[in-house]
Amino acid sequence: AQSVAQPEDQVNVAEGNPLTVKCTYSVSGNPYLFWYVQYPNRGLQFLLKYITGDNLVKGSYGFEAEFNKSQTSFHLKKPSALVSDSALYFCAVRPHSGAGSYQLTFGKGTKLSVIP
Amino acid sequence: DADVTQTPRNRITKTGKRIMLECSQTKGHDRMYWYRQDPGLGLRLIYYSFDVKDINKGEISDGYSVSRQAQAKFSLSLESAIPNQTALYFCATSDMTDQPQHFGDGTRLSIL
Repeated sequence: AQSVAQPEDQVNVAEGNPLTVKCTYSVSGNPYLFWYVQYPNRGLQFLLKYITGDNLVKGSYGFEAEFNKSQTSFHLKKPSALVSDSALYFCAVRPHSGAGSYQLTFGKGTKLSVIP
Repeated sequence: DADVTQTPRNRITKTGKRIMLECSQTKGHDRMYWYRQDPGLGLRLIYYSFDVKDINKGEISDGYSVSRQAQAKFSLSLESAIPNQTALYFCATSDMTDQPQHFGDGTRLSIL
């Protein structure tokens, strides 16, 4: 069965500083990896995905993530944080094929607070 | 207008009541999903449907049932609600496995 770990419940960063939200995963075979963001009273919004190819993925709102197969990680990054980036971030994984390929497994979420 | 619409947005009800949460989508996607979100637990899959005639249980289906009335409509029912079903419920859609899911804004359900 696949799983996702987001080791930090909360990340605090000063506005203008770079931010990183960590994600590690476990899956059989090759993964599809996703990052979503959730603002208060809203559903999850898609930020970016890794399917195959280039390990550095660029997404919405200036976010990017780096796929590292050897470390089974997919950390979310942004060079310069904005106060408006404050939200709850979820990492998710599913395998390309086989058992569990129908199911997107989410991490528990990391609350990002950007301090003015 | 939202691509994935959930109704109601909020609901407070009593233990033992039957409740239906509804989801409709205008994205034309075949795949629809129901999740629940609990603080500190992330999202967990309740049921999913790949087309009108294909409905499958997810990770936590006990106590829930679903109906796929049409390609665009997927409803979740709690036959006899209990307090530990108090949660935020999300509907999502997608068209293919490698494509992102699109989420509604959720239904906040409280069972007293």
